[in-house]
Parts: sequence; C-alpha cells; structure tokens
Amino acid sequence: GAGVSQSPRYKVAKRGQDVALRCDPISGHVSLFWYQQALGQGPEFLTYFQNEAQLDKSGLPSDRFFAERPEGSVSTLKIQRTQQEDSAVYLCASSLAVSGDSYNEQFFGPGTRLTVL
Amino acid sequence: AQSVAQPEDQVNVAEGNPLTVKCTYSVSGNPYLFWYVQYPNRGLQFLLKYITGDNLVKGSYGFEAEFNKSQTSFHLKKPSALVSDSALYFCAVRDPYSSASKIIFGSGTRLSIRP
Repeated sequence: GAGVSQSPRYKVAKRGQDVALRCDPISGHVSLFWYQQALGQGPEFLTYFQNEAQLDKSGLPSDRFFAERPEGSVSTLKIQRTQQEDSAVYLCASSLAVSGDSYNEQFFGPGTRLTVL
Repeated sequence: AQSVAQPEDQVNVAEGNPLTVKCTYSVSGNPYLFWYVQYPNRGLQFLLKYITGDNLVKGSYGFEAEFNKSQTSFHLKKPSALVSDSALYFCAVRDPYSSASKIIFGSGTRLSIRP
C-alpha cells in the first residue's frame, strides 16, 4: 500500500510569504505528527493529531505556525510571514497508535524542503 | 525532561566488519527506544524498537540493538557491515509516562561503510 506522501517536495518562498505544506498519511492511521528538521540536525517535534483533534502543539515555534487536520486524514501545516530561520525540511509521520499508552512506530513521508530567501 | 544523545557525528567502518552506533538516553521511568535510518532525499525509515522484554532487539536489514538500563544506552549494532548501510542514523526516545505522544530524536550519526 501507499506510504505517507507530502507535497510539495520542494518549496522556495520569499521572506514574508505564506506557505502551506500538505501531508497524506497512511490510510487508517489515527495519529499524525509534524516535525521540523534543520540541516545537520535530528527531527524536532512540532505538533500531534489524533484523528482531527490537535492534542499537542507544544513544539510549534511561534504563532506563525498553524496545523490542521479537519477530517482526520489529510493535514496541512501553514507558516505565515515566513522567515529565513524557517528554512528546513518539514516531515510528516503517521502511526496506528490510538492512545498515549500504546505505541506503534511512526511512518515518515519524504518531507518538504522549504527554503526562505 | 527526556533526551537522547548520539556522541558520534560520524562512524567509519570497512565493509564486512562489525559496526556500532552509540546512543544514550535520559528519561524518567522505562523508556520506549527507537532507531531510524535516513537515506538521501528519502524519509526516515523505522529500523527497530524496544518497548519491553528481551534487551536484545532485532530489526530490519540485519540490525540489532541492545537495551542497557544500568548504562542508559541503546547502541545499534550489525555483525557485518555493507556499503549499502551508509546513511544517517537516528536514535529516538519516548517517555511512556508522558501524556504527549511525541518522540525525541538524537542529532544523528552518519555511518560510512568503505568497500
């Protein structure tokens, strides 16, 4: 079956522009995560959804970052008024986990490489 | 706060030799531990996990990892390295007592296998 897909794969934005990054998780996966991976670093958690509910957004770096998953499947990460420090690879992951007590591994998409000029 | 450390930025091994990629963690309680691999221009791929039970965990592509509670380590190992194992490897940890479901990644170790 299909894995996690993300679009676009590459995005170049001018400073101050708004961008929207899309994630299509594996069908049936309840949990969805967004991570930010700066060059030479490990992924850093941004936010977590269980179905359509955003249960944890503690990793979002500022109020310019907004994520949604209105129907519990596709998710969009939006960054308003982009800054150069927002340049990174944005990874989406999904898993079968349905509660905080159980754990299934996360399946990652290929990422969107955002470059802010 | 939970954290994970990968003390080596790069590990170089000759093909056919055993390899070890080091990882130590800090978390309250019993951790969930993971290894992921990242190939160029591709997403992270799950290799193996430790949740509970046997301290030696076997995963994909012949990799294994040993959970050592006293040393708070979860080193990744393979008996005989292949050139195709060259990639970026990430150790990750989740605190099972945390209400959040996020996992914390290390900074990564670049594994280079020379023919």
